[in-house]
Amino acid sequence: DVKVTQSSRYLVKRTGEKVFLECVQDMDHENMFWYRQDPGLGLRLIYFSYDVKMKEKGDIPEGYSVSREKKERFSLILESASTNQTSMYLCASSLGGWNYEQYFGPGTRLTVT
Amino acid sequence: AQTVTQSQPEMSVQEAETVTLSCTYDTSESNYYLFWYKQPPSRQMILVIRQEAYKQQNATENRFSVNFQKAAKSFSLKISDSQLGDTAMYFCAFPFRHFGNEKLTFGTGTRLTIIP
Repeated sequence: DVKVTQSSRYLVKRTGEKVFLECVQDMDHENMFWYRQDPGLGLRLIYFSYDVKMKEKGDIPEGYSVSREKKERFSLILESASTNQTSMYLCASSLGGWNYEQYFGPGTRLTVT
Repeated sequence: AQTVTQSQPEMSVQEAETVTLSCTYDTSESNYYLFWYKQPPSRQMILVIRQEAYKQQNATENRFSVNFQKAAKSFSLKISDSQLGDTAMYFCAFPFRHFGNEKLTFGTGTRLTIIP
């Protein structure tokens, strides 16, 4: 079974802090994704990566950056957390190609106070 | 731009009944896949069913089936003999190709509650 893990299920941070969310997949997938999930808005893509050290902006990249130094690990960075970044963050991975399903991690619920 | 619309924010049905969740999308592509994902309360998102656009036959996975109407750009999910474990958020998703790599566009979701 494909396993996607995220470093924390719940996280509370203060405004202005630098926040790291880690995601690891164990199936040698090419593609990795970061989404945020908000009620009524569904899942919105923040960033994705289709190879090591490669990244592409998604639909809402502002205020976020990412890092992919190893194939299995994809990190989301909030340089200076703000209260409007309070949300559920989901990581996913997939094989390359447009017909493959994405496998999701359990999510990190981030609260910025 | 691809858009995916789920017009039913919440639904509830009695256990053992059949329920249909709707999804419409917009695309100029001719061949593509469509996906339904399920997110149970406090649990991971998982794939429920996948449909390939060029296939005439609607996809079926046990109690889950789709009604795919390509001309109408409609992709609804039917759950037969609903069970308490079907309580979840359901998202339909459409892959958008970006320089040969896909990213998914999700609908806003339908929260389905199965009532005992």
